[in-house]
Amino acid sequence: AQKITQTQPGMFVQEKEAVTLDCTYDTSDPSYGLFWYKQPSSGEMIFLIYQGSYDQQNATEGRYSLNFQKARKSANLVISASQLGDSAMYFCATLSYGGAQKLVFGQGTRLTINP
Amino acid sequence: GAVVSQHPSWVICKSGTSVKIECRSLDFQATTMFWYRQFPKQSLMLMATSNEGSKATYEQGVEKDKFLINHASLTLSTLTVTSAHPEDSSFYICSARDQGLSLRDEQYFGPGTRLTVT
Repeated sequence: AQKITQTQPGMFVQEKEAVTLDCTYDTSDPSYGLFWYKQPSSGEMIFLIYQGSYDQQNATEGRYSLNFQKARKSANLVISASQLGDSAMYFCATLSYGGAQKLVFGQGTRLTINP
Repeated sequence: GAVVSQHPSWVICKSGTSVKIECRSLDFQATTMFWYRQFPKQSLMLMATSNEGSKATYEQGVEKDKFLINHASLTLSTLTVTSAHPEDSSFYICSARDQGLSLRDEQYFGPGTRLTVT
């Protein structure tokens, strides 16, 4: 079974600072994907970044990067130069390609950017 | 990019009535769609996997007779909450998997439907 753990219920960061949101995962499948989503107060799930288990390099998408440490089973999201619009809930999720191929989400981290 | 719509975006209904929520993939075909429920300040919990042309697969603890899912076409899945009660009030989100374009089996999410049962 897959499991995602996000240990930070809430984070408060000053605007323009970088922030790291923690995510650890557990899966027995050697082939899996890791996803980060942003959920603003409107409720929509916005895809941010993806990392495949066999990807050699850490994924980057603009201000978002994923610090993938496979041996430690961690997939932390790094947001550089934070902006007020980054305030939202952030969910880490995993999908095992060998199994039922269902996304499993972590508990989420509420990020608040202070001006 | 791939777009998924949901209708309605919000609905208020009386206890005991049924409510239907539609999920549509607008620019791609989705053989598989997923239905999630999210209570306030909680994470998304998968309710069921909807496969076009076959019966949905429900997660443990989800009543299939209460949450009826129909995936009649490659672009439409519906979730019907039957005999709704206040405890069914929640945010319901669907997603659709586009297996044709993405190797990573990415799911595209709808904007969600907020259900309030009075």
